[in-house]
Amino acid sequence: EVQLVESGGGLVQPGRSLRLSCVASGFTFDDYAMHWVRQVPGKGLEWVSSVTWNSGNVAYADSVKGRFTISRDNAKNSLYLQMNSLRTEDMALYYCAKGGTGSYLGWFDPWGQGTLVTV
Amino acid sequence: DIQMTQSPSSLSASVGDRVTITCRASQNIISYVNWYQQKPGRAPKLLIYVASSLQSGVPSRFSGSGSGTDFTLTISSLQPEDFATYYCQQCHSAPLTFGGGTKVEIK
Repeated sequence: EVQLVESGGGLVQPGRSLRLSCVASGFTFDDYAMHWVRQVPGKGLEWVSSVTWNSGNVAYADSVKGRFTISRDNAKNSLYLQMNSLRTEDMALYYCAKGGTGSYLGWFDPWGQGTLVTV
Repeated sequence: DIQMTQSPSSLSASVGDRVTITCRASQNIISYVNWYQQKPGRAPKLLIYVASSLQSGVPSRFSGSGSGTDFTLTISSLQPEDFATYYCQQCHSAPLTFGGGTKVEIK
């Protein structure tokens, strides 16, 4: 069974940093693109960032470009999101999601349970 | 950026009803649209990918159609467990974008 478990969320002051982690199991992690998607409680979904299987291609939403960095460690089956210069508008539940093989352009399936970031 | 406009934003329906949700893209995205279901307090779940492919394990009452700019998600006979919020998402090009969501409520 595919499982994605996020951690690292919490309460942080504006301008500070936070690093989210997502540990994957149940599939060959280094075959798949991975994504971060966020959701303000009670609101819609917003794509944040994606990385291809070998980190050769990364992409960011304009709202986080230059402040957030996505990375992965295939040896540890782990995905990360380094969030710097946090703003109140970054406050959301952050989901990790598995993508497809090849390009990061695809669907998100499955999703983790999310980790809450409060700024 | 490609904008995804979902309609309606909410609807009320009864068990057994046929429900249709529409998503319109701001430009031609061929068939690169996916649909998700989200229940309160839960992560989204993939229902349909590339417009009309049913994800494994998803009941056959869910179907997707469309191409170009206009897409629909149809629930042929609404069941109690289908009351949720539904989102479309385009994967034609970055940034990946979602529709605003459609909340399906009990009439």
